[in-house]
Amino acid sequence: DVKVTQSSRYLVKRTGEKVFLECVQDMDHENMFWYRQDPGLGLRLIYFSYDVKMKEKGDIPEGYSVSREKKERFSLILESASTNQTSMYLCASSSSGWGYNEQFFGPGTRLTVL
Amino acid sequence: SQQGEEDPQALSIQEGENATMNCSYKTSINNLQWYRQNSGRGLVHLILIRSNEREKHSGRLRVTLDTSKKSSSLLITASRAADTASYFCVSLGTYKYIFGTGTRLKVLA
Repeated sequence: DVKVTQSSRYLVKRTGEKVFLECVQDMDHENMFWYRQDPGLGLRLIYFSYDVKMKEKGDIPEGYSVSREKKERFSLILESASTNQTSMYLCASSSSGWGYNEQFFGPGTRLTVL
Repeated sequence: SQQGEEDPQALSIQEGENATMNCSYKTSINNLQWYRQNSGRGLVHLILIRSNEREKHSGRLRVTLDTSKKSSSLLITASRAADTASYFCVSLGTYKYIFGTGTRLKVLA
């Protein structure tokens, strides 16, 4: 069974802390994505990566950075967490051939920044 | 914003009835996908329709696509309580997947 796993289901951090969210996929997918999901706003793309060490900004990259050192792992970093980054964070992966393949999602990390 | 919109935002029906939800998107697309999200299984892909297709079926799902109107619809026939979830259309823009705001479907037993 294909799988995308995320390091934590729930996380509580304080304002100003550096936060790492990790995502691992076991499907040998080239593409990986980070989204945040907020009520009434749907999913918004933060960053994506189409290859190791490659990254592209999505719609809302401000306040975030990413790292992809290995094909199976894509990390989202909040350099200095703020309360407006309280959200559900979803990681996804897909195989290459843009748009012709489905995205597989992890279970999500609900982050609360106090 | 390039984000698509879905209509209705919420829908409540009786088990056995059909559910129709609509989606409008803003960019030219290669394909359009529908996803379902519930608390049990998270976000899961349902069906994909390519830009040169007008209709597609998968089990109890029927998807239509009208690229001239930049719109799509998802029909779920003979709904079940287990279909209770949020449904999202996802259009592929130039290089990324663009999610709609979602329709919350509740199927009453």
